[in-house]
Amino acid sequence: KAGVTQTPRYLIKTRGQQVTLSCSPISGHRSVSWYQQTPGQGLQFLFEYFSETQRNKGNFPGRFSGRQFSNSRSEMNVSTLELGDSALYLCASRARGGTGELFFGEGSRLTVL
Amino acid sequence: AQSVTQLDSQVPVFEEAPVELRCNYSSSVSVYLFWYVQYPNQGLQLLLKYLSGSTLVESINGFEAEFNKSQTSFHLRKPSVHISDTAEYFCAVSEAQGGSEKLVFGKGTKLTVNP
Repeated sequence: KAGVTQTPRYLIKTRGQQVTLSCSPISGHRSVSWYQQTPGQGLQFLFEYFSETQRNKGNFPGRFSGRQFSNSRSEMNVSTLELGDSALYLCASRARGGTGELFFGEGSRLTVL
Repeated sequence: AQSVTQLDSQVPVFEEAPVELRCNYSSSVSVYLFWYVQYPNQGLQLLLKYLSGSTLVESINGFEAEFNKSQTSFHLRKPSVHISDTAEYFCAVSEAQGGSEKLVFGKGTKLTVNP
């Protein structure tokens, strides 16, 4: 079974630009979550999607958004990038009933200059 | 809101020595607790979990953790570490809300195993 796939793995943007990150969950997993990982703040929850609906959202500004498609693939978008958005963005999928058992991708490392 | 405190940000040890990575959580209700491991340039992998039942849980690679409700702790231990155990370890608690579930992570402990 293929794992969680995130693209791109690395990207560099400048302040004010926007970025879209993609995540393909494990086949059969309908729940997709996004986390931001930084050295200062650690791992912080962004949002969770299930069956194309956002079920939960963390404490991030409206510049951070996401969506999920009918095939469970998910994208997250960050608009008007700021230096502080530089981070590793991790996507995770979960099977129905799999309490806490998140399967993470390798992440997309975003650098904002 | 729940929180997780990992008391040590870095733990250096020698190969074959025992190690304990400490984790405390704040919650007055039933909790689900987890340890995840992150190797360099990789995502997180579930190491072990406590959902209910026996308070001592084990992983396939020799780690174990004990749920202690009175001390609100979930410390991770291994009696003899290997070089390959060098990684960052994250303790997490599950927070459920209206059918959704998110993990609240500690800040992580970097374990460095030296030869």
